[in-house]
Amino acid sequence: NAGVTQTPKFRILKIGQSMTLQCTQDMNHNYMYWYRQDPGMGLKLIYYSVGAGITDKGEVPNGYNVSRSTTEDFPLRLELAAPSQTSVYFCASRPTGQVLTEAFFGQGTRLTVV
Amino acid sequence: QKEVEQDPGPLSVPEGAIVSLNCTYSNSAFQYFMWYRQYSRKGPELLMYTYSSGNKEDGRFTAQVDKSSKYISLFIRDSQPSDSATYLCAMDNQGGKLIFGQGTELSVKP
Repeated sequence: NAGVTQTPKFRILKIGQSMTLQCTQDMNHNYMYWYRQDPGMGLKLIYYSVGAGITDKGEVPNGYNVSRSTTEDFPLRLELAAPSQTSVYFCASRPTGQVLTEAFFGQGTRLTVV
Repeated sequence: QKEVEQDPGPLSVPEGAIVSLNCTYSNSAFQYFMWYRQYSRKGPELLMYTYSSGNKEDGRFTAQVDKSSKYISLFIRDSQPSDSATYLCAMDNQGGKLIFGQGTELSVKP
């Protein structure tokens, strides 16, 4: 199993440009998440999904969009990049269950907006 | 008010010290309380978790939850340089939403 795969690993974007951060998992997990982590800070939830076709806003959704057309993929879209979106972005997935399930994270995408 | 608050540190201790990491939360719906560990330039990994109030021990690590005070703690005994990492508390409302604290950066000096 590859686990959670994020692409690209690094990206430099100019102000106003758009891009899509890709996230795919091969573990058949229903829950998927997008977080951003600023230097020296924790993870802030951008969007999450509890299954294909269902998405919900997290703590910091402004400036981002997501879709979940399949169980495997959960892309994050930045429409008009701003310097405030410079961050490390982590995608995570976890299975549903009656007891707590562990979230598995990708290696992150380091995004710089200049 | 943030749903989860965590002292960001950084925290520097000598090898062998007892470390105490803490979080507070505001959402009474949280049922599962987790601690993740994140090494530099890596994604977080689950360290341990507890359900509702009480203690849980795993080797040198002990997690405590006090739901009446909305306060959780992670204790590390006999800390080692390999414990140097960022520790993040996380909470789950059982609706799928997983919220993290700000993380505490820990450095254990030999």
